[in-house]
Amino acid sequence: VQLVQSGAEVKKPGESLKISCKGSGYTFTGYWIGWVRQTPAKGLEWMGIIYPGDSDTRCSPSFQGQITISVDKSVSTAYLHWSSLKASDTAIYYCARDDGSGGRYAPSHFDYWGQGTLVSVSS
Amino acid sequence: IVMTQSPLSLAVTPGEPASISCRSSQSLLHINGKTYLDWYLQKPGQSPHLVISLGSNRASGVPDRFSGSGSGTDFTLKISRVEAEDVGIYYCMQALQIPWTFGQGTKVEIK
Repeated sequence: VQLVQSGAEVKKPGESLKISCKGSGYTFTGYWIGWVRQTPAKGLEWMGIIYPGDSDTRCSPSFQGQITISVDKSVSTAYLHWSSLKASDTAIYYCARDDGSGGRYAPSHFDYWGQGTLVSVSS
Repeated sequence: IVMTQSPLSLAVTPGEPASISCRSSQSLLHINGKTYLDWYLQKPGQSPHLVISLGSNRASGVPDRFSGSGSGTDFTLKISRVEAEDVGIYYCMQALQIPWTFGQGTKVEIK
């Protein structure tokens, strides 16, 4: 199992961005994929989770309206998208896979993580 | 659900035990009988990785010196004999209720 994330990004406030997370070595559509933000100030923050099989998505209220989580099953890739970045979006973003032991409706923990994508937003 | 860890930092002599506490603002026991509390370790410069799931299940490849215990709102991660490779930041995380939430992290260092 591998989750490979896209590379570091440097953006200006107001710009859009989509980062990716490509899964391999397992049946991509059968396991929830989540996104986690890490900053020095707030530590690890769970942003949301998506089931690639049918794009069922659960998003944290803290990030609702600020981000879009999506997948493209044809390329086994999950995405995290911002339409208008803010300086406060500067962070490392990790994707991670739920282990599937809880089945379709009960994700519970991340057994594999991507390497992280550093996003820097500054004017 | 708010997750509170203690201590926030810990310096341990190799071979000695270590213990980290995690408290949740509400019970993490689901009606299905499972407790949705996990422990993750983030080693320096790496992504986090799973150590303990569902309160007490060691993840694949995790040495048996790691153990998780607790119920309801109070949980503990114990390392029976700390080794140099155990340094990093340990996080508890609840997955009972969306949004899943992490504790602040406990930094473990070697004396």
